[in-house]
Amino acid sequence: GENVEQHPSTLSVQEGDSAVIKCTYSDSASNYFPWYKQELGKRPQLIIDIRSNVGEKKDQRIAVTLNKTAKHFSLHITETQPEDSAVYFCAASTGTASKLTFGTGTRLQVTL
Amino acid sequence: DGGITQSPKYLFRKEGQNVTLSCEQNLNHDAMYWYRQDPGQGLRLIYYSQIVNDFQKGDIAEGYSVSREKKESFPLTVTSAQKNPTAFYLCASSIAGVFYGYTFGSGTRLTVV
Repeated sequence: GENVEQHPSTLSVQEGDSAVIKCTYSDSASNYFPWYKQELGKRPQLIIDIRSNVGEKKDQRIAVTLNKTAKHFSLHITETQPEDSAVYFCAASTGTASKLTFGTGTRLQVTL
Repeated sequence: DGGITQSPKYLFRKEGQNVTLSCEQNLNHDAMYWYRQDPGQGLRLIYYSQIVNDFQKGDIAEGYSVSREKKESFPLTVTSAQKNPTAFYLCASSIAGVFYGYTFGSGTRLTVV
């Protein structure tokens, strides 16, 4: 089955700096890659996603890049703010399976 | 709660007891999922169901059971065979067909006492 690895497990940045979280996946048939943000004690919320026919997608301060050849994808957050502090999960899915395999999460701390 | 409701929010289980976690959605989603979340291990799939009266085991199904008698409901039973049930349990749902990811419930925190 699919295996998703995520790095780093913790990341601390100063407010205004950029943050990058990286994930690799094992199943070359995977074609959907979402990112979720989970604040303490809350449910995960989808923040951005990308499909395998696209190399990059951007939404304001958040962007995701996908390298199908290398089987890795990354989340980029620019101009970080304290409210960006949370745990971020990457995930991957093949369309036929319609189920997500998650990475182990990255705890992002944005310091003032 | 965004169309998918989990209850209770907190649940305490004694050794040897079975407990059932509720998950209800009014999004008209065909597929429903149960994940377990432990610190440092991400979300691991327990069971999922893509249509009524059908469900499949996920990666960590041992000690758990589910049913899908109605489209709106996908309850999870944590049986006494689950030796380490203390965790945060998340239910999710999704549209069938083109996959757009999940809508999550707010979770149930289960503690063994």
